[in-house]
Amino acid sequence: AQKVTQAQTEISVVEKEDVTLDCVYETRDTTYYLFWYKQPPSGELVFLIRRNSFDEQNEISGRYSWNFQKSTSSFNFTITASQVVDSAVYFCALSDYSNSGYALNFGKGTSLLVTP
Amino acid sequence: EAGVTQFPSHSVIEKGQTVTLRCDPISGHDNLYWYRRVMGKEIKFLLHFVKESKQDESGMPNNRFLAERTGGTYSTLKVQPAELEDSGVYFCASSHFPEGVNEQYFGPGTRLTVT
Repeated sequence: AQKVTQAQTEISVVEKEDVTLDCVYETRDTTYYLFWYKQPPSGELVFLIRRNSFDEQNEISGRYSWNFQKSTSSFNFTITASQVVDSAVYFCALSDYSNSGYALNFGKGTSLLVTP
Repeated sequence: EAGVTQFPSHSVIEKGQTVTLRCDPISGHDNLYWYRRVMGKEIKFLLHFVKESKQDESGMPNNRFLAERTGGTYSTLKVQPAELEDSGVYFCASSHFPEGVNEQYFGPGTRLTVT
């Protein structure tokens, strides 16, 4: 069964718009970690954030913010005032004890296109 | 500190041929993971090493795939013989122990195209 769901396959916005990428996860563990990675056109995976299950405090880093809600098993990612350089595929991932070495379970990714 | 490196960056081979992918983790990282993304699908876990030992290879698609990590340093992933459905991007990642504090650092990936 899929553990991470990113329902949005593709999103297209105009520069300066705000955009939220959704992520819903499923786990039976009480201790787990959630991640967001960015994959720009160059192909590498760039780590954005890690959040553990005991820390529901929302986080802001520049134009990026993350909303972690255990009640709805969601870990959404918002980009404020989007820029063309934000165009990429964004992956949400879950790591829990059921996976060897806390290997990551990824969602299918959301492709974000920001146009000028 | 050097990051995770992978070689080659891109490989194009014909069906039935053999290809070997290499991953050099960050120095001192005992944990090494291989993942794969087939076109349009999610990134899937293939296997996990702790030093030279395979801890979990449940994600390996079939016995055409063989991973090794001799000496607990770099790792290789061999596909023999390659099939069309093996095309995709193969990522390697490494992390420190202890288990649970597991920020994985990814390499740039190897794009494999089987024709």
